[in-house]
Amino acid sequence: GAVVSQHPSRVICKSGTSVKIECRSLDFQATTMFWYRQFPKQSLMLMATSNEGSKATYEQGVEKDKFLINHASLTLSTLTVTSAHPEDSSFYICSAQWASGGRTDTQYFGPGTRLTVL
Amino acid sequence: QKEVEQDPGPLSVPEGAIVSLNCTYSNSAFQYFMWYRQYSRKGPELLMYTYSSGNKEDGRFTAQVDKSSKYISLFIRDSQPSDSATYLCAMSEGQFYFGTGTSLTVIP
Repeated sequence: GAVVSQHPSRVICKSGTSVKIECRSLDFQATTMFWYRQFPKQSLMLMATSNEGSKATYEQGVEKDKFLINHASLTLSTLTVTSAHPEDSSFYICSAQWASGGRTDTQYFGPGTRLTVL
Repeated sequence: QKEVEQDPGPLSVPEGAIVSLNCTYSNSAFQYFMWYRQYSRKGPELLMYTYSSGNKEDGRFTAQVDKSSKYISLFIRDSQPSDSATYLCAMSEGQFYFGTGTSLTVIP
């Protein structure tokens, strides 16, 4: 149980285009989803926290107009990188928090999406 | 001072060794403690989850929490090359805090 999927796993795009990444909790309902960014050999950097049905909370320094987050249902959150530039190239990872029954304070991570902007 | 401190390593051990990974923290309100394993270019995978002080064992893995010392550990017995990964500690009091991760290599 507690499986989180991400799609796509890898994307290459041209500078100036927008890219959407989907995060799904496959076998549980996640009231909260998190989006992280990770540079090579560095730790996770939290970008935003997303609660179903409400606006995402962005961490300091993260541009909310550039990284659009939508959490439309208890099993799906999307991150859209708008007008992507080469400096946005990174590994993006989502996680979902299981908030009903079982472990109420654990995050389960997706496999990540590697974004390369040319 | 960071909320969670973790030695980044790298740590290199021979196959079969016992590995000890550690994190310290400053916030006494943390109640939930986790260890994640992350292979290169993959998302973190939850290994161990503990609530409050004590030990928890799962196969070759033992998680230990000492709230009085604000110190948590992950022990790996009979380490295998497949254990080579980055290990992240995490803790929560509602908000999550991650360590920077320790890179482990188990040499055959």
